[in-house]
Parts: sequence; C-alpha cells; structure tokens
Amino acid sequence: DIQMTQSPSSMSASLGDRVTITCRASQDIGNYLSWFQQKPGKSPRRMIYGATNLAAGVPSRFSGSRSGSDYSLTISSLESEDMAIYYCLQSIQYPYTFGAGTKLELK
Amino acid sequence: EVQLVESGGGLVKPGSSLKLSCVASGFTFSSYGMHWIRQAPKKGLEWIALIYYDSSNKYYADSVKGRFTISRDNSKNTLYLEMNSLRSEDTAMYYCAKSTGFDYWGQGVMVTVSS
Repeated sequence: DIQMTQSPSSMSASLGDRVTITCRASQDIGNYLSWFQQKPGKSPRRMIYGATNLAAGVPSRFSGSRSGSDYSLTISSLESEDMAIYYCLQSIQYPYTFGAGTKLELK
Repeated sequence: EVQLVESGGGLVKPGSSLKLSCVASGFTFSSYGMHWIRQAPKKGLEWIALIYYDSSNKYYADSVKGRFTISRDNSKNTLYLEMNSLRSEDTAMYYCAKSTGFDYWGQGVMVTVSS
C-alpha cells in the first residue's frame, strides 16, 4: 500500500500567517493527490485536486504544489475560518490512502 | 444541488451485521463511481470501498475485505454498504462520497459496535 506521511501533525499560527502542510508519498503517485479540510462535526470538504487544482468555491488563498514526492497545501494568509484538520489523499492506487491529518489551530 | 444522505447506522453487538444506505440526488448517479470512507472517533479518515458506476468493479481496504460488500441500485439512486462480522474497531462515522475526486460527501452515519 502507498503510505502518505503528513507533517506536521499539528501546528498553531496567527491570523495572516502563511501556512504550509506537506505530504510525502512512499511511491510515485503522479498528481493523484487531493487535500481535504474537516471542521469539527462536519464532513470533509475537498480543497485541492490533481495536486494543484483549486476545487470549486475554495478561496484563492489556498494552493497546492508538488516537488517530487512531496505535496504541499499552502494558505497564503490565514483566516479564522481556516482552523480545521487537513488531510491529503492519494488516489492512484487501491487502496486509496489518507495522510494522518494536520490540526491547524490559532496561536 | 448534489445531496448524499446516509442512513442505517446504529448500535450493534460484535459479530452482527448492518447495512448502510446512501441516497443520492442532484446528479446522474448511474454515471459515477461511489466511495465509502470511515472515521473512527477522534481518528483520521480511512477509505474503505469503491464501486464503479456500473458495478463492474469493486475495491476494498484490507481491513474490511471479505466482511463488507459495496453495492448499488442505480434505479433507486442508492449506494449500499453491507457490513458483516462487525468488530469493535469498525466503530466509526461512515461517509459516502461521489467519485471523480471525492467532490461531494454525505453528512455521515454513525456505527457503534459494542457489547
């Protein structure tokens, strides 16, 4: 199975900060990488697909990038509504696998 | 508006069975694959199954293979997850999600396996 190593597991940041979360894939997954946001008591929401594509309705302060086997989600200027847990997902090979999640909190 | 509504969860004893449903609306259900994903309390997301739009292919996570069966009825716009030989570690919120990138998710249904 493909392992997705996500870091950090948690972080705190201030409003307006630039925040980056990373997932490293244990095998080549091309651009079959998505990012999801989950707020307490809510279903996950897709933020990024195809490693770099912004999902519909997602604010432009969110972006996705890839460098080799490292995939990153960046929030350019943190807002209070961005506090959530973020997960990456590889969808190139079954079983699909999620990263362990990054809990983003306000400093 | 795309909607996915899960039902069928509840409290069951270890070793028992349960069948979840996910009713879809707002899109052509018969044209899309569908997934089940679960989340144990205070834990991360776990993908557990996919069914193609025409039921021609099904894939499972090792943790549920041989115990869970994904199926669908395109005439009823409904996705199913039949769960047998349930264990305490199957306790989780179960979500259905539309394929083509998990762009829509249901609200989830809770399954608790406990004696």
